[in-house]
Amino acid sequence: ETGVTQTPRHLVMGMTNKKSLKCEQHLGHNAMYWYKQSAKKPLELMFVYNFKEQTENNSVPSRFSPECPNSSHLFLHLHTLQPEDSALYLCASSQDPGERSSPLHFGNGTRLTVT
Amino acid sequence: QKEVEQDPGPLSVPEGAIVSLNCTYSNSAFQYFMWYRQYSRKGPELLMYTYSSGNKEDGRFTAQVDKSSKYISLFIRDSQPSDSATYLCAMSALYAGGTSYGKLTFGQGTILTVHP
Repeated sequence: ETGVTQTPRHLVMGMTNKKSLKCEQHLGHNAMYWYKQSAKKPLELMFVYNFKEQTENNSVPSRFSPECPNSSHLFLHLHTLQPEDSALYLCASSQDPGERSSPLHFGNGTRLTVT
Repeated sequence: QKEVEQDPGPLSVPEGAIVSLNCTYSNSAFQYFMWYRQYSRKGPELLMYTYSSGNKEDGRFTAQVDKSSKYISLFIRDSQPSDSATYLCAMSALYAGGTSYGKLTFGQGTILTVHP
C-alpha cells in the first residue's frame, strides 16, 4: 500500500446511525487533515493534526469527532448527522504543516450519503 | 466576497489547444499557491506549487502568480484527453511563527474536458 488510503469508499447512513471513516498514510508524514468536498463548493478544511495533536478545528459541529491515535492513522467518527452532511470526505497528509515546501497528499475520499 | 474565486466552467477544448485556468483572491496574506488536478472518483493530486510571484514551468504546465493583481493562472500546452479533470487552485498564508499550518483555501474548481 502506498500513499493515503481511505475506507470505506462509499457509506450510506441514517441520521441516527454512528459510523467511522478511516484514513491511513504510508508516506511517513507528521500531519494529517480532514477536508469536506460538497457539490459546487470549495474544499473546506475541518481538522488538522500535527504529531497526533489537534491543532485546528475549523468550527466543525460536534457530530463530527476526529481521532488520531498515531501519525499514520486518522479517524472521523460520525453520529446524528444531517442530510446536508452528505459530501466527499477527504483525508490528506503532509510532512510538516509548518514547512513551506510540504504539499498535501490526498486520499481518494469517502463518499458519504446521509438519508 | 469569497476569498478565492474560480470560474467553475465547464471548459471544453479540442486536443492540442492551449488551456488557461485562472483564480483571483482577496487575501493579500496568501504566499503559497498551488494547482491540484482531480479526476472523477479520485482525490486531488498536486500539479504545481509556487511561492510568491513569478512563473514556474513543468513539462506542458506553467503556473503564473501575480500578487500585485491577486491573480494566478495555470496554462496547459498541447492539451490531451487525459488532461480532462477538475482543476483546483489553492493557496495559503503564513501565520505566527512563519508556518502555514497546512491550512489551504481552495477555489471551487474548473471542470475541463479535452475532446479528441
